[in-house]
Amino acid sequence: DTGVSQNPRHKITKRGQNVTFRCDPISEHNRLYWYRQTLGQGPEFLTYFQNEAQLEKSRLLSDRFSAERPKGSFSTLEIQRTEQGDSAMYLCASSPRQGPSTDTQYFGPGTRLTVL
Amino acid sequence: AQSVAQPEDQVNVAEGNPLTVKCTYSVSGNPYLFWYVQYPNRGLQFLLKYITGDNLVKGSYGFEAEFNKSQTSFHLKKPSALVSDSALYFCAVREGGNTPLVFGKGTRLSVIA
Repeated sequence: DTGVSQNPRHKITKRGQNVTFRCDPISEHNRLYWYRQTLGQGPEFLTYFQNEAQLEKSRLLSDRFSAERPKGSFSTLEIQRTEQGDSAMYLCASSPRQGPSTDTQYFGPGTRLTVL
Repeated sequence: AQSVAQPEDQVNVAEGNPLTVKCTYSVSGNPYLFWYVQYPNRGLQFLLKYITGDNLVKGSYGFEAEFNKSQTSFHLKKPSALVSDSALYFCAVREGGNTPLVFGKGTRLSVIA
């Protein structure tokens, strides 16, 4: 059972550029979450999918951010016109649809974004 | 609104001594409580959770946590600390279902040999 994977692990970009991150959840996990973690803080919720449906979005998710999960498997998070304040670790988590671990979120290693 | 407080930014403990990392929470309904650990440049690893049942829950790597409803606390404990336990620890809460987690700011644990 492989864990949640995220690519790329690191991304350096210039202000104003667009970036896209990918998350591959654990196989058969139907729920997928995106969080953002800045230095010295705990992760903050961005958005949540159940299968391909985006069920909840945080107000942190400005209109420059968009997330998709087109086939209910992997997900992408795109940031348009990046700003220096977008620099953070972007974490993805997944949880299974049933079983004793259905209420537990399992996290990937994260994508660290640096906006210059 | 849900919230979590981890009152200590840093906890230092000697190897072999017991450790406690504190967490208090606020939710309007029944809490689902979690502890995660984060090592440098890595994601969060699940340690343990309280959903219902016994107030003392046991998790990975010898860690345990005690749910105290009257004090709205969920402190993480380990009887004998190891140097390899040094990491960043996060407490998180949600109100059931599959709602998003709300995390504390984290507590950095340093175990000194």
